[in-house]
Amino acid sequence: AQKITQTQPGMFVQEKEAVTLDCTYDTSDQSYGLFWYKQPSSGEMIFLIYQGSYDEQNATEGRYSLNFQKARKSANLVISASQLGDSAMYFCAMSNNQFYFGTGTSLTVIP
Amino acid sequence: DTAVSQTPKYLVTQMGNDKSIKCEQNLGHDTMYWYKQDSKKFLKIMFSYNNKELIINETVPNRFSPKSPDKAHLNLHINSLELGDSAVYFCASSQVLEPRSAYGYTFGSGTRLTVV
Repeated sequence: AQKITQTQPGMFVQEKEAVTLDCTYDTSDQSYGLFWYKQPSSGEMIFLIYQGSYDEQNATEGRYSLNFQKARKSANLVISASQLGDSAMYFCAMSNNQFYFGTGTSLTVIP
Repeated sequence: DTAVSQTPKYLVTQMGNDKSIKCEQNLGHDTMYWYKQDSKKFLKIMFSYNNKELIINETVPNRFSPKSPDKAHLNLHINSLELGDSAVYFCASSQVLEPRSAYGYTFGSGTRLTVV
């Protein structure tokens, strides 16, 4: 069964605009962590942001914020003021007793 | 200093050969992992090691064998390489077995394996 679902295989956003990348997850655990990673064309995996299941406030890291809706089991990534360097694959991931990755969303920032 | 380093970054080899990919982490993490990323970018866990003990082995062919001489190293050895083994292999480490914390995973830069 799919643990992490990213329904947007590809997204486009205009430079300086905000974009939301969708992620839903499936778990019956009460304790888990949610992550977003960025993979640019160079191939490395870069940690962006983390949200704990017990965290009451949405996580923020600079231009990245995680819109955590626990009842809906969603953990969307919001990138504000998009930059050309944000063009990359973005992976949502969840950890409970294992680590699960989604299939990724390819984001292209248009000048 | 590179936190998780993998070598080589690129590896091109013929079918049937045996090859190894090395991974080292200097973060003092307890657990290390190997992931395979296929052509569709899907990441699949292959192995994890915690204090030299194999924790997960996700139906990986026994041609693949992880070797961990110490907590800081987890090498991946592949015997009798096949065309379908072509992929990007990522090493990763985490501070705890269940990374339910902001530490999450730290990834290496990946090894692109091409079998011809």
